[in-house]
Amino acid sequence: EVQLEESGGGLVQPGGSLRLSCAASGFTFSAFTMSWVRQAPGKGLEWLSYIGASPGDLKYADSVRGRFTISRDNAKDSLFLQMNSLRAEDTAVYYCARELGGYYFDIWGQGTLVTVSS
Amino acid sequence: EIVLTQSPVTLSLSPGERATLSCRASQSVSSSLAWYQQKPGQAPRLLIYDASKRATGIPVRFSGSGSGTDFTLTISSLEPEDFAVYYCQQRSNWAFGQGTKVEVK
Repeated sequence: EVQLEESGGGLVQPGGSLRLSCAASGFTFSAFTMSWVRQAPGKGLEWLSYIGASPGDLKYADSVRGRFTISRDNAKDSLFLQMNSLRAEDTAVYYCARELGGYYFDIWGQGTLVTVSS
Repeated sequence: EIVLTQSPVTLSLSPGERATLSCRASQSVSSSLAWYQQKPGQAPRLLIYDASKRATGIPVRFSGSGSGTDFTLTISSLEPEDFAVYYCQQRSNWAFGQGTKVEVK
């Protein structure tokens, strides 16, 4: 079964850091572009970042560029999101998702909640 | 930056009725538009990609149409499990619309 499972969420103080992980299974992880998408409480979906199958193929939304870093470990079928300088407005459920067709997401994880609060 | 605007914000319908959801782009996105369904506490689920192609396992009552700047998601006859929030999404900057909630009338 094709599956994604996020972990690493939790409560962090403003200005703090957190590293999210996403474990993939059931498909050839290294062949796919992967993304992170978040959803603030009661709000819509916001794409954050993607990492392609080719080295150096990365992109970030303006809202997180310079603070968040996406990476992957193909040997471990894992995707990561290093989040630094966290703000209250970063509070959200964070999803990892598999990208197809250059833009749409066919497989999503269940999400992990990040709460930024003092 | 291309912005997607969905309408209406809320759609109140009864089971068995037809639902028509709109997504308008501020600039042409050609046919690079996807639709997702999200239920409370769940991850989004891909319904439609490339404006009109149904994703794997999606019932035929879901259909998408449009190109350029105007797109429509149609649910031909609402089932109880279809009451949810629906988002459109485009290729240019992976941005999503703000969502349309389909609720029970």
